[in-house]
Amino acid sequence: GALVYQYPRRTICKSGTSMRMECQAVGFQATSVAWYRQSPQKTFELIALSTVNSAIKYEQNFTQEKFPISHPNLSFSSMTVLNAYLEDRGLYLCGAGDWSSQNTLYFGAGTRLSVL
Amino acid sequence: GDSVTQTEGLVTVTEGLPVMLNCTYQTAYSDVAFFWYVQYLNEAPKLLLRSSTDNKRTEHQGFHATLHKSSSSFHLQKSSVQLSDSALYYCALRGGSNAKLTFGKGTKLSVKS
Repeated sequence: GALVYQYPRRTICKSGTSMRMECQAVGFQATSVAWYRQSPQKTFELIALSTVNSAIKYEQNFTQEKFPISHPNLSFSSMTVLNAYLEDRGLYLCGAGDWSSQNTLYFGAGTRLSVL
Repeated sequence: GDSVTQTEGLVTVTEGLPVMLNCTYQTAYSDVAFFWYVQYLNEAPKLLLRSSTDNKRTEHQGFHATLHKSSSSFHLQKSSVQLSDSALYYCALRGGSNAKLTFGKGTKLSVKS
């Protein structure tokens, strides 16, 4: 089956520092990777969508300068939160999909970021 | 842009009774797909159902949903809930051929004995 692993599961960083999180797809080719942030109120905000052979598309209020994303192959993606502050706290979810499953996204359990 | 509206907040149902979680949407796309995800505490959102066919019932693990484009709805139903169904449920829309999902705000289902 399609599995997505994210690590670390939890991390704490000091205000103004940066944190890198990783996402690995197992059992399928991740032609698309979407990074979301789940707020404390449990709503999903799309940060950006990366599709192979296309530029990474960031949503409004999210920038490459703040959330640089790498999607170097069909099984891995990473995202860094640069200069993290309190408003960046939350659960960061990676959803990966492939063309054969009509781009259905399968999610990892997320990386929970706390900022001190 | 696309939007998804769900029953907000908490829905409490007694074990063995039916439940319906509402989901309506707005989109300019004609090529659309719909999803229900379930998220248990501290776990990944898991795909429960998906559909892109109008008026066709989709079922999985006792849950079912039918896409009705005429009313812009994709409500989730179960005829007899179990205690283990207590979780957060999210309805999501994908417009066009890309993988971007637009989520509703989620509905928390609490099943009591």
